[in-house]
Amino acid sequence: DGGITQSPKYLFRKEGQNVTLSCEQNLNHDAMYWYRQDPGQGLRLIYYSQIVNDFQKGDIAEGYSVSREKKESFPLTVTSAQKNPTAFYLCASRTWTSGGADNEQFFGPGTRLTVL
Amino acid sequence: QQQVKQSPQSLIVQKGGISIINCAYENTAFDYFPWYQQFPGKGPALLIAIRPDVSEKKEGRFTISFNKSAKQFSLHIMDSQPGDSATYFCAARGNFNKFYFGSGTKLNVKP
Repeated sequence: DGGITQSPKYLFRKEGQNVTLSCEQNLNHDAMYWYRQDPGQGLRLIYYSQIVNDFQKGDIAEGYSVSREKKESFPLTVTSAQKNPTAFYLCASRTWTSGGADNEQFFGPGTRLTVL
Repeated sequence: QQQVKQSPQSLIVQKGGISIINCAYENTAFDYFPWYQQFPGKGPALLIAIRPDVSEKKEGRFTISFNKSAKQFSLHIMDSQPGDSATYFCAARGNFNKFYFGSGTKLNVKP
C-alpha cells in the first residue's frame, strides 16, 4: 500500500519542549514538503527538500527544523522557539522533474499538534 | 502577503446546484494551478489542475475556468452532491516548484 504516512496523528506538547513529527513515503518521490494549516489561512510552506541531504526554508521556517538523511523520510522538529505551534501539520511529496512537469503533490493524513 | 486569494470563505449550495469558487493571483511566473479537496481530519487530495495556456479543463462534474489576462481562475462543481461537502483549496506553482495555496473554501451541499 503506497503512500505517505505521518505520525503521530495527535501530539500534545508542553511549552518549552521540542517535538518531532514523522513523515515517511514509499512512493520513491524525490521532493518532500512540510506545510502548516491554520483555520482560514490555507496551507503555508515551512520547509521543502528536493533531494536527499538538501532542504530549503519556506515562508514560515522560523522555529522549525528538518533533516533529509533518507529519500523516504523528512522529519519536522517544532522547537521551543516556535511561539504559536498549535496547528495541523501536513507532509507532502512529489516526483522531482526539471522543466516544470505537472507532477502531482501527494499529501499525508496530517498531525494535529496542540500546545498545552 | 497572500500570493493566491480565494473566495468565498464558505459556500452553501443545494443538491444539484452549481458550486463556484474563485481564485486570483498576481505573480505571472506561476505556471500550474491545481485544486485540492480536503475532508475533515485528512490531507488534501488533488482534484483537477490546469496550465495557463488552457482556458478551460473539465473532468466529470469538475471544471476549471482560467482567465490569464485577468489572472483569475475558478472551480465549478456541476450537479453538486452532499458528498462534495469539503474544503477546497486553489494553489499555484512558482519558482523552484514551490506551491502557494489559497485560504480555502468550505463547501456545504444541502440535500
